[in-house]
Amino acid sequence: DTAVSQTPKYLVTQMGNDKSIKCEQNLGHDTMYWYKQDSKKFLKIMFSYNNKELIINETVPNRFSPKSPDKAHLNLHINSLELGDSAVYFCASSQGDTDTGELFFGEGSRLTVL
Amino acid sequence: GQNIDQPTEMTATEGAIVQINCTYQTSGFNGLFWYQQHAGEAPTFLSYNVLDGLEEKGRFSSFLSRSKGYSYLLLKELQMKDSASYLCAVMDSNYQLIWGAGTKLIIKP
Repeated sequence: DTAVSQTPKYLVTQMGNDKSIKCEQNLGHDTMYWYKQDSKKFLKIMFSYNNKELIINETVPNRFSPKSPDKAHLNLHINSLELGDSAVYFCASSQGDTDTGELFFGEGSRLTVL
Repeated sequence: GQNIDQPTEMTATEGAIVQINCTYQTSGFNGLFWYQQHAGEAPTFLSYNVLDGLEEKGRFSSFLSRSKGYSYLLLKELQMKDSASYLCAVMDSNYQLIWGAGTKLIIKP
C-alpha cells in the first residue's frame, strides 16, 4: 500500500491553462504539505495544512491554491500556468505539527509548462 | 535570513567511507534531519538529531553540534545504491523545515 500517493506523476500543459494535482495519504496523519522542487533541487514549502490551520508560504503566487476535502486529501490547484511553474511537486504528510520531524513524501508530480 | 549549506557534489569509492557536511543558520532550532533522494524519486527519511552527539543507524550515522550550527552524515561501507542526493533540513522555531539544496553523492566502483 502506498502511504502518500499523488496523481498525475507527469503533466505537460500549455501556458495559461489551469491544472490540478491530487494527493492522498493513508497514514492517518494530521498534517499535509505541498513542496516544489525546482531544477536546482531546492525543496521549497508551498503550503502546510492540518484540520486547524492552513499555512501559506507568502512567496507562493495566489494562482496556487490548496484544497482539502478531508484530512486524508490535499489537492493543489494551479491557475494560469506559467513557464516558471515547471518543476516537480511533492506532497508529504506528517503526524502532528512536524514535531516528530519525519515527513513521508509522495512520488512527485513532474509538471512541464510549454 | 535562514540558510542551510552543504556541498553540491561529492564522489567516493565503493566500500569506502564518506562524510557529508551541513552548516546552518536558522531562526531557532528544533532538530536537524537528513533525507536521501534517489534521482527521480521522493526523499526518504534517514535521521533526526536534536541533541548534540552522534546517532548511529546501521551503515549511516549523523552527528550534530548545535553550538557550531553543524551536522554531518557519515556513510560507511559504501554501496553503489548509495548514489543519491542527501538533503539536510533544519526545523526552525516555528516548526518549519528549512531545506538545503542537497549533496549529490556519486559512488564509483
